[in-house]
Parts: sequence; structure tokens; C-alpha cells
Amino acid sequence: SQTIHQWPATLVQPVGSPLSLECTVEGTSNPNLYWYRQAAGRGLQLLFYSVGIGQISSEVPQNLSASRPQDRQFILSSKKLLLSDSGFYLCAWSVGGGGSEKLFFGSGTQLSVL
Amino acid sequence: DQQVKQNSPSLSVQEGRISILNCDYTNSMFDYFLWYKKYPAEGPTFLISISSIKDKNEDGRFTVFLNKSAKHLSLHIVPSQPGDSAVYFCAASWGNTPLVFGKGTRLSVIA
Repeated sequence: SQTIHQWPATLVQPVGSPLSLECTVEGTSNPNLYWYRQAAGRGLQLLFYSVGIGQISSEVPQNLSASRPQDRQFILSSKKLLLSDSGFYLCAWSVGGGGSEKLFFGSGTQLSVL
Repeated sequence: DQQVKQNSPSLSVQEGRISILNCDYTNSMFDYFLWYKKYPAEGPTFLISISSIKDKNEDGRFTVFLNKSAKHLSLHIVPSQPGDSAVYFCAASWGNTPLVFGKGTRLSVIA
């Protein structure tokens, strides 16, 4: 069966520090991978998605970047965190591409930038 | 520009009664709709979906209704249970586009 691992569960970082959140998927090949953020009052906002290694689509211009160095690995990064980067970050995966896709989410990372 | 709107941030319902969560969308291209349930500090979990070729889909206590002409869908939970207390997200997509989520509605089921 497929599983998704996301870590760390919580993170407290000072403003201006770098960030690296990692997500890996097991039990499936060539998944579509996603990073979402849940910020207060904003619902689930799509940040990045990837349909293959090295292929990244950015939905919202911001202080973050994403990379997909391996088929089942998705990394969210920042060189210098801002206060506004605080939020609950969720990695998700799906398979298909022909529509009618369900997303399966990881357990999330609560990031607090102080 | 919010393409998927959940206009009620919260809803309280007594245990055993019906919970009705509403969702509106603006993009007429959307052809697949989903509901997700989220507990605090956890990732959302898939609840139920509906394709635009249908107007109703039922799974146990959960039923989703789709009104394409009104660009409106709703999730009915009958009977509501305390364990249903969570944030419910409506989501939509079309073609190969990623899911677009609403802001969520917090449901509280009171015993």
C-alpha cells in the first residue's frame, strides 16, 4: 500500500533562517506531488506541484522554492524565512493525470517563524 | 480570485441531526468535486467525491449533492456524530489541473 512521510511535524525557526521540509512517498511510481499551505483564514493554498523529476510548477510567487530530486521525493525550501511563512505545510500525492484524481495528504508540518 | 467558496466558516449541529455543509464555485470548467475532512494537526483525508455527470453520490452517512446550474454543491451528514467534528474542505478540479480548495467549514457536533 502507498504511504507518505513528511517531516518534521513541528518546526520553530527564526526570521531569516533557511528552511528545508522533506516529503517521500512509498508504494507507487511516478506520482504527482504537491505542497500546500494552510494559513490562518486562508484555507488550503497550493504552493507547488510536480508531475515528474525536475518538473516544478509554482502557483504562488513567494519566498519559497521546491525541488524533486528523485521520483518519490519532494522538498520545500527557503533561503530566508519571513514571518508570513508561518503556517501548516502539507505534502500530498496523486496518480493519474486524466482527471478525477484524489489527493492523499501527509500529516503536515507546523512551521512557526518567530 | 477564489474559485471555490465555503461561505460558512463554522457550523454547530446537535448529535443525531443532519449537518449540511455548502460550497459554491465560479469556474464552469470544474468537472470533479471532492470533500475532505481535517482534524487539528493532521493532514486532510478524503471523504467523498462526485463527477459532474452525476447530481448525487452517497456513501454511508455522507451524501454529496451537485447543482451544476447553480454552481453549488453540498455535503449532508446524517446522523451527525461527535466524531464528525472537524474542518471540512470542498475541492474542485478539471482536466489535469490540481485541486482547488475552499477555506473550509468547521463543524462542531454537540452531544
